[in-house]
Amino acid sequence: EVQLVESGGDLVQPGRSLRLSCAISGFPFNDHAMHWIRQVPGKGLEWVSGISWNSGQIDYVDSVKGRFIISRDNGKKSLYLQMNSLRIEDTALYYCAKDISPVITHGALFDYWGQGTLVTVSS
Amino acid sequence: DIQMTQSPSSLSASVGDRVTITCRASQTITYYLNWYQQKSGEAPKLLVYSASTLQSGVPSRFSGSGSGTDFTLTISSLEPEDFATYYCQQSYTRTTFGQGTKVEIK
Repeated sequence: EVQLVESGGDLVQPGRSLRLSCAISGFPFNDHAMHWIRQVPGKGLEWVSGISWNSGQIDYVDSVKGRFIISRDNGKKSLYLQMNSLRIEDTALYYCAKDISPVITHGALFDYWGQGTLVTVSS
Repeated sequence: DIQMTQSPSSLSASVGDRVTITCRASQTITYYLNWYQQKSGEAPKLLVYSASTLQSGVPSRFSGSGSGTDFTLTISSLEPEDFATYYCQQSYTRTTFGQGTKVEIK
């Protein structure tokens, strides 16, 4: 059974940092690109970042470039999102999602999602 | 980035109704268009990919069509479990989602 379990969400003040993790099981992790997608409660979906199977390709939505860092550890079957200089507008439920492809060129397709971890940025 | 516009933003329908949701891209995305269903409190679920291919396990009452800039998701006969929010997603370039269409009970 495919499982993606996010953790690390918390209430933090603006300007602080947070690290999200996603533990994966049930599929060959190092054969697939992975992504972080966020959703403000009650609002729509926003892709945040993606990383290819070997970390050779990484991309971010413009609003988080220079502040967030995506990474993965294939040996530990884990995906991470280091979130720095957090802003109030980063408040959202953060999902990790599996891509059917190993790379993050066009064709991103999310066939499995975790249940999300909530990040709240507030003073 | 490519903008995705869904219409309507919400709709009310009855069990058994035929429902059509449209998604328009700000530029051509060929067939790189996927549809997801999200029920309240749950993660999104992939329904249709490459504009018209049904994901394994998805009921045949769901169908997708379109290419270029204009796409549709159709539910041929609405079931109680289909009341949810539906999102389109383009993956032609850096991926973006539509704003969602909420299907509510009439």
